Amino acid sequence: ETGVTQSPTHLIKTRGQQVTLRCSSQSGHNTVSWYQQALGQGPQFIFQYYREEENGRGNFPPRFSGLQFPNYSSELNVNALELDDSALYLCASSLGATEQYFGPGTRLTVT
Amino acid sequence: DQQVKQNSPSLSVQEGRISILNCDYTNSMFDYFLWYKKYPAEGPTFLISISSIKDKNEDGRFTVFLNKSAKHLSLHIVPSQPGDSAVYFCAASAVGNQGGKLIFGQGTELSVKP
Repeated sequence: ETGVTQSPTHLIKTRGQQVTLRCSSQSGHNTVSWYQQALGQGPQFIFQYYREEENGRGNFPPRFSGLQFPNYSSELNVNALELDDSALYLCASSLGATEQYFGPGTRLTVT
Repeated sequence: DQQVKQNSPSLSVQEGRISILNCDYTNSMFDYFLWYKKYPAEGPTFLISISSIKDKNEDGRFTVFLNKSAKHLSLHIVPSQPGDSAVYFCAASAVGNQGGKLIFGQGTELSVKP
């Protein structure tokens, strides 16, 4: 059984640029959630996708957007990057509303 | 508005003794609670969960207790081992609301000394 994988591991971008982060869900899981973890804080919910549809969104601006594909993998897109977007971005997969299993994360640095 | 709070940023325990990590919540709509462990440079690892219809759930060395009236849960690790040293997050979910969005506390860093 393959766990949740994320790419890339690390990324450095310049303020104003756009970034796409990718996530492959655990085999058999149809739900993907994205979280942002700032240094010293707990993960903050960005949004969730269930069967390719957005299924809930946290308190993040519209420049944070996402997609889920038919194979349940997912992308997180962030436009017009700001310095405060520097964080660890975590993807978690689950089978519906059950325990969520996290990937290793993508460390994004915005300069 | 911190709906889930872990008021102890750190905890140090001797190997073999009990570790007790605490978590408080404010939203009475939460009906499912989880604990995750996180090592540096890794994603959180699911440890144990509890539904609001129970007050205790046990899995090996890990036991979670839920006190709904006090809106408080705790994770007990017995006996503690050096490999348990990590950051522990509690998380809460209102399953009927957005299908499992997790609200996390700030984390407690556990250090188990040999």
